[in-house]
Amino acid sequence: DGGITQSPKYLFRKEGQNVTLSCEQNLNHDAMYWYRQDPGQGLRLIYYSQIVNDFQKGDIAEGYSVSREKKESFPLTVTSAQKNPTAFYLCASSRTTGGYLYNEQFFGPGTRLTVL
Amino acid sequence: KNEVEQSPQNLTAQEGEFITINCSYSVGISALHWLQQHPGGGIVSLFMLSSGKKKHGRLIATINIQEKHSSLHITASHPRDSAVYICAVRNNNNNDMRFGAGTRLTVKP
Repeated sequence: DGGITQSPKYLFRKEGQNVTLSCEQNLNHDAMYWYRQDPGQGLRLIYYSQIVNDFQKGDIAEGYSVSREKKESFPLTVTSAQKNPTAFYLCASSRTTGGYLYNEQFFGPGTRLTVL
Repeated sequence: KNEVEQSPQNLTAQEGEFITINCSYSVGISALHWLQQHPGGGIVSLFMLSSGKKKHGRLIATINIQEKHSSLHITASHPRDSAVYICAVRNNNNNDMRFGAGTRLTVKP
């Protein structure tokens, strides 16, 4: 079955530690995205990648880093510089970001990160 | 002011009722999406539309481009429809996606 997987589903970390969230897709999509969801707010874009070895900052990239070494994988690292890291993190992918092909984004199940 | 506003924020209905969730946006768009987020957190896409109306089972989505407004309707609601419904728009200038805060629907048996 094609889809997007995120692991782990729940993650607990101590304040000041970096943590990496996994996102893998087997949909052969070029574009991948990381969103953050906080209560009462819409999803906010952290980073996105349109192609391997390339990625762009979204609206709230400070305190986060990503890599895109493989088409299937787009891991997100929440660094100690992120002031309020406790949130629900969603990964998504789509065939392409641009053009007239209003491309549908497919979402993973999410990772809930709690920093203690 | 958020670019995408949804109403109501919370909605409780009895099984069988007709449900309407509204979405207003302030930017020019190329497409509007309705998404469903289940209690576990996963999100699935229900509709993607740029004009008119789409129907899938008991769900109907409409959009009025001139008024910058969309509605999601659920007919004969069922407890399994309980979820958060999210409206998202794709900005036609920069292709960015913008998301509403969501409407939490609870359907009671």
